[in-house]
Amino acid sequence: QKEVEQNSGPLSVPEGAIASLNCTYSDRGSQSFFWYRQYSGKSPELIMSIYSNGDKEDGRFTAQLNKASQYVSLLIRDSQPSDSATYLCAVNEASGTYKYIFGTGTRLKVLA
Amino acid sequence: DAGITQSPRHKVTETGTPVTLRCHQTENHRYMYWYRQDPGHGLRLIHYSYGVKDTDKGEVSDGYSVSRSKTEDFLLTLESATSSQTSVYFCAIKDDRETPLHFGNGTRLTVT
Repeated sequence: QKEVEQNSGPLSVPEGAIASLNCTYSDRGSQSFFWYRQYSGKSPELIMSIYSNGDKEDGRFTAQLNKASQYVSLLIRDSQPSDSATYLCAVNEASGTYKYIFGTGTRLKVLA
Repeated sequence: DAGITQSPRHKVTETGTPVTLRCHQTENHRYMYWYRQDPGHGLRLIHYSYGVKDTDKGEVSDGYSVSRSKTEDFLLTLESATSSQTSVYFCAIKDDRETPLHFGNGTRLTVT
């Protein structure tokens, strides 16, 4: 069973701090990695996509990928109360079936 | 929401009755997915489609069937609803192989 693991949290950080969210995956052949944000009662919305090792920055968000360690992370700089949500990590299944496996999500609480 | 419409948005039904959920897209995307989301389990893939009349099972397909007779529509049917199928159902779409999933607004289904 291919898996994507996330700490369920909640992860509490003060406003203005850096929030660090982590995700590990079991399928060594996975090539595509995504972070989604989901507010309570809403649908997941894409924040970041990353396909190659290293860092990718977009505004206050940085995704980091290390395929050797099968690890992907999301850093949120200058965290705001509006960032309080559940963050889902998603990974493609490497078998070529175009299936995407999701972690159970990390709940982030940014304290004002 | 990337041109994705799910219907109905909410439904309450009784155990043993058939239920069909509809996902309609205006993006002409090739791939369409049905996920269910439950507390503690995250998003789990039920079925997905990689073209008209081309579908495949996900990790939780038992009790569900799908059909895709047109590019824009992907139907999820619960042949005989059970209380364990009470959940929030999300449809997602994607274009080519390197693009992320985009989600509809979800359908909240309650089976009594």
